[in-house]
Amino acid sequence: DAGVIQSPRHEVTEMGQEVTLRCKPISGHNSLFWYRQTMMRGLELLIYFNNNVPIDDSGMPEDRFSAKMPNASFSTLKIQPSEPRDSAVYFCASSVHRAGSPLHFGNGTRLTVT
Amino acid sequence: QKEVEQNSGPLSVPEGAIASLNCTYSDRGSQSFFWYRQYSGKSPELIMFIYSNGDKEDGRFTAQLNKASQYVSLLIRDSQPSDSATYLCAVNESGGSYIPTFGRGTSLIVHP
Repeated sequence: DAGVIQSPRHEVTEMGQEVTLRCKPISGHNSLFWYRQTMMRGLELLIYFNNNVPIDDSGMPEDRFSAKMPNASFSTLKIQPSEPRDSAVYFCASSVHRAGSPLHFGNGTRLTVT
Repeated sequence: QKEVEQNSGPLSVPEGAIASLNCTYSDRGSQSFFWYRQYSGKSPELIMFIYSNGDKEDGRFTAQLNKASQYVSLLIRDSQPSDSATYLCAVNESGGSYIPTFGRGTSLIVHP
């Protein structure tokens, strides 16, 4: 079990540039979550997929953010255009959709927008 | 808006003492409760899961749940410096979505 794999680990970009974060969930997990973590706001849910379908995207800050899950083994989170306030650690997590199933987190992507 | 509240700390305890971490939640219908540990610069990892009222023990860790009071806690016995981390409480939403809402976390410092 390789765990949840995220890439890149670090991303430094300039304001206005497009940023794409990638995630490979654990094989067999049918729920996928994107979270953003900052000191000020803690862990915030951005979007939740179940069986590759977006179920809850109410946490996506604005139209600059978009997420896709084209198949069960891959998801992307895109920010276009990026802004300095998007600087945070972005976590992808996966789980099995059932009561009591914990989240398995990837190592995160630390995004810095200058 | 479903909320999960934790004292941000830091909670400082001496090595060998019992550390008590607390969490309250607003969704009365929540059924599943989790404690995650997050070391600085790392991702959260699961420590305990509880869904029944009462206590659940796993080694040095005990989770306590009181649904009537909407309160869940984590006790760490014989605290070690390696337990120093941020502890996140997570509560699954009611209604079968299994979407967890996380508290802001409590920073624990265990000093030798």
